[in-house]
Amino acid sequence: DADVTQTPRNRITKTGKRIMLECSQTKGHDRMYWYRQDPGLGLRLIYYSFDVKDINKGEISDGYSVSRQAQAKFSLSLESAIPNQTALYFCATSPSLKQGSRDSPLHFGNGTRLTVT
Amino acid sequence: QKEVEQNSGPLSVPEGAIASLNCTYSDRVSQSFFWYRQYSGKSPELIMSIYSNGDKEDGRFTAQLNKASQYVSLLIRDSQPSDSATYLCAVNKRVAGANSKLTFGKGITLSVRP
Repeated sequence: DADVTQTPRNRITKTGKRIMLECSQTKGHDRMYWYRQDPGLGLRLIYYSFDVKDINKGEISDGYSVSRQAQAKFSLSLESAIPNQTALYFCATSPSLKQGSRDSPLHFGNGTRLTVT
Repeated sequence: QKEVEQNSGPLSVPEGAIASLNCTYSDRVSQSFFWYRQYSGKSPELIMSIYSNGDKEDGRFTAQLNKASQYVSLLIRDSQPSDSATYLCAVNKRVAGANSKLTFGKGITLSVRP
């Protein structure tokens, strides 16, 4: 079954460390997204990519960077982790839109729970 | 005004009742609307998509969209304890050409009492 896979599922790291969260997908979707979720704040968009050469900042990109290594892979990096980056992180995918077509929903990975101490 | 707002929760209903979840959005050009269900610690899963004014039914779920009033709702009939979860409203609008932006509400937690 097509899938969106995030690794690791859980990660504990110390303040100041650089870490990378990885996402791979077998859905063949062009579009990939990184969200973080905090209690009471819902899902907030960090970065998104509409194709391999297109990377865009979301609403909360400060302190994060991304790399789209291939259509199927989209990695999120925290250059110097800080405690308020403790959150649940989700990768999501969606197919490209054709003109006149309806928007497709996002398909989420299982999430990475990150704790920064 | 927030782009996507969901009525504050949590919401508690008895088993077998109808649960009504509401969502309002600020941008009139929004075109696509989604409801996701999320169990604690799990990823959001899509339960309904709606694109046109009116009602859309799928089993015990009915989504209702009113673009003039800028609201979208989700009704869950014959609520079951397994429906206890957080429900996220998501609204998509085109930003340029075929590009679009999806914004989520903060979610509302539903508890169905046996």
